[in-house]
Amino acid sequence: DTGVSQNPRHKITKRGQNVTFRCDPISEHNRLYWYRQTLGQGPEFLTYFQNEAQLEKSRLLSDRFSAERPKGSFSTLEIQRTEQGDSAMYLCASRRGTGSLLEETQYFGPGTRLLVL
Amino acid sequence: GENVEQHPSTLSVQEGDSAVIKCTYSDSASNYFPWYKQELGKGPQLIIDIRSNVGEKKDQRIAVTLNKTAKHFSLHITETQPEDSAVYFCAASRLTGGGNKLTFGTGTQLKVEL
Repeated sequence: DTGVSQNPRHKITKRGQNVTFRCDPISEHNRLYWYRQTLGQGPEFLTYFQNEAQLEKSRLLSDRFSAERPKGSFSTLEIQRTEQGDSAMYLCASRRGTGSLLEETQYFGPGTRLLVL
Repeated sequence: GENVEQHPSTLSVQEGDSAVIKCTYSDSASNYFPWYKQELGKGPQLIIDIRSNVGEKKDQRIAVTLNKTAKHFSLHITETQPEDSAVYFCAASRLTGGGNKLTFGTGTQLKVEL
């Protein structure tokens, strides 16, 4: 158990609906990452936060996607007007430290599997 | 951006044999190379990692080697056991200036047969 938790674990929705996922990182990890993993592929980077600041977004993150980390603790990823191509596993990872105390390791959660019908 | 290629996509070995998985990367500025193991229905779990200032690292039955000149790195698992069966991913990133966002390979399905 890495300590990163994600909810829900599974989500089935109809095309056009909005969905929101939550990630709770390991306590005191100030960096938080979102990745997307489709079947048979490796995870792909979506976005990351340092504390509450969203520092980078991949071009994979269309304007239907929005991520927040309002208090620098948990994060949410919302997908608006879902499409069948959004079906994937959404993974969250966290990492500890800043400056000279920054650790390399990203610890992943169990993921949220989304199926868009 | 970074591109990571991984081979083979599937690997079947007999219990007790060694397994080797190879990856190449494209960005010469990448300096951190972790390997993750992913079991069905779970998130990736780090098994070993290496920085670019080190050529080899070992942890019990697992070792990783890095050739910066050729831009390739490999995972070696010795004395394989059935519980090693899983999907293994290599990844590459820049620790500074790139936020350490990981670029993953496409994965290797390892099956250890009794």
